[in-house]
Amino acid sequence: ILNVEQSPQSLHVQEGDSTNFTCSFPSSNFYALHWYRWETAKSPEALFVMTLNGDEKKKGRISATLNTKEGYSYLYIKGSQPEDSATYLCACNAGGTSYGKLTFGQGTILTVHP
Amino acid sequence: SQTIHQWPATLVQPVGSPLSLECTVEGTSNPNLYWYRQAAGRGLQLLFYSVGIGQISSEVPQNLSASRPQDRQFILSSKKLLLSDSGFYLCAWSRDRPYGYTFGSGTRLTVV
Repeated sequence: ILNVEQSPQSLHVQEGDSTNFTCSFPSSNFYALHWYRWETAKSPEALFVMTLNGDEKKKGRISATLNTKEGYSYLYIKGSQPEDSATYLCACNAGGTSYGKLTFGQGTILTVHP
Repeated sequence: SQTIHQWPATLVQPVGSPLSLECTVEGTSNPNLYWYRQAAGRGLQLLFYSVGIGQISSEVPQNLSASRPQDRQFILSSKKLLLSDSGFYLCAWSRDRPYGYTFGSGTRLTVV
């Protein structure tokens, strides 16, 4: 069973601040790392999927990096806006016969204050 | 394009009553299907997954069961609900890794 951990649990920032969160996972038997954004009253929305050590992905003001050797990923938000307020989830695919199964972290709740 | 439908959106059920939540996928065939639950103050926990009709894998021992009677239909059931079954239930589908999930809109279940 994978153990995926996210930190911090919650974060309050001011509009315009840049911020980042961490996702830690076991580096052995790793296959892929996913980031999702989950807004209140909506379904989780996929942001990124990364598989290779050193991968970097970017979508607008949001970017992510992956280090599979040490087992962590960072999600960065540049110039946070109130609409970025959401829970950010990371999840891992393991190797072996786990098919598409994802193990999720607890999430980081981001609140951006105007 | 693929879409996923989940219903009902909210449900308030008494302890000991049965449960049936349904999820259907359109626009794809032979999807991997999943049921997750988020209990209060907790993360998303995988309950069941299915890679084909009639094939169900359970992740945690519990008061719930799942069935996949058709390729694109996934049902979560209980014969007798417990208070601890309260939570937010999400259905999702995916291709095999590394493809991510597309989630349904979720069901908020409150057992009273």
